[in-house]
Amino acid sequence: DIQMTQSPSSLSASVGDRVTMTCRASQDIVTFLNWYQQKPGKAPQFLISSASVLRSGVPSRFRGGGSGTDFTLTITSVQPEDFATYFCQQSYRTPLTFGGGTKVEIK
Amino acid sequence: EVQLVESGGGLVRPGRSLRLSCAASGFPFDDHAIHWLRQAQGKGLEWVSSVSWNSAITDYADSVRGRFTISRDNAKNSVYLEMNSLRPDDTALYYCARSSTPAAELGGWFDPWGQGTLVIVSS
Repeated sequence: DIQMTQSPSSLSASVGDRVTMTCRASQDIVTFLNWYQQKPGKAPQFLISSASVLRSGVPSRFRGGGSGTDFTLTITSVQPEDFATYFCQQSYRTPLTFGGGTKVEIK
Repeated sequence: EVQLVESGGGLVRPGRSLRLSCAASGFPFDDHAIHWLRQAQGKGLEWVSSVSWNSAITDYADSVRGRFTISRDNAKNSVYLEMNSLRPDDTALYYCARSSTPAAELGGWFDPWGQGTLVIVSS
């Protein structure tokens, strides 16, 4: 199975900060990498496909990047509604696997 | 509005069975594969199973293969997960999610997700 490792597991930020989180795959997955946002008590919501393609309606402050084994999700100016947990997921090979998540908390 | 609604969760004893349902609306159901995923309390996400648009292709995580069976009824816009020989480590919130592709081909994503149905396996 392809292991997905996210770091950090949590981070604290103030509104307006730029935050970056990383996702590393245990093997080359090209750009078959998706990102999801999950708020407490809610289902995950799809944000980004193919490492960098924003879902329609997702604010442009969210930016995905990377290829191969190393990927990033950056929020250029964190807003109050962005405090949540973010998961990466590889779609290169079954079983489809997720990272453990990065929780973005309010400083 | 595209919507998925899960039902059928509950408290069940180890070794027993449970059937989950996922009712879809707001989109052409037979254009999309459907996945089941789960999340244990305070834990990460685990993909469980998928079924293609025409039921021709199904797939399972190793942790459930041989115990769980996925199926769909396109006439009812519904997908089911029959769970047998349940174990305590199957305890989780189970989500269904629409695939971005008809056959759950690699390269797809999950969008949207239902609100989940809770399965607790305990004696």
